[in-house]
Amino acid sequence: EIVLTQSPGTLSLSPGERATLSCRASQTVGSNYLAWYQQTPGQAPRLLVFGASTRATGIPDRFSGSGSGTDFTLTISRLEPEDFAVYYCQQFGSAPFTFGPGTKVDIK
Amino acid sequence: EVQLVESGGGLVHPGGSLRLSCAVSGFTVTNNYMSWVRQAPGKGLEWVSLIYSVGSPHYTDSVKGRFTISRDNTKNTLYLQMNSLRAEDTAIYYCALYDWGLPHWGQGALVTVSS
Repeated sequence: EIVLTQSPGTLSLSPGERATLSCRASQTVGSNYLAWYQQTPGQAPRLLVFGASTRATGIPDRFSGSGSGTDFTLTISRLEPEDFAVYYCQQFGSAPFTFGPGTKVDIK
Repeated sequence: EVQLVESGGGLVHPGGSLRLSCAVSGFTVTNNYMSWVRQAPGKGLEWVSLIYSVGSPHYTDSVKGRFTISRDNTKNTLYLQMNSLRAEDTAIYYCALYDWGLPHWGQGALVTVSS
């Protein structure tokens, strides 16, 4: 089973600042099948990025994903008020399809 | 547009059973992975079970022997039979479909296990 580690656990930033979130896998993620999700309280997870770097439909271009193999990054170029949320990575390159523990981005 | 709609959630006593369903529209489910993911109150996302069109399904350790995942491709529907439910199974259960590199999720079904 691939274990995903996300860092930092919490990121305290101000609106307009840049956020850099990390997701590290214990083994190579096959086919770069790595996704990033955003979750706000009371809502279902929202797909942001799949295939490590492809933005999902309707996702603003301030969100970008990068990386390959075992190291992946989600960058939010300029934080908007609605971006303060919890972010999860998930790999589905090999079964079972595991999640990271999440990074909370909160307002400084 | 691909849509997944879960149903069958509710309140159940410890030791009881529930069957979740996930109906898929806008996509023909054949050779795709499908899974159940849950989120307990205040916790992160946890994969529960995974099934492909062939081969053995996968289960997280805490549900092995109690939960059974199945699919009916003719009805484009995924199921999760949950037996011997425990308080710690209380969560929102999401179904997911993996169109190779692109995942699609439902909005979730709440399962509450309480006496």
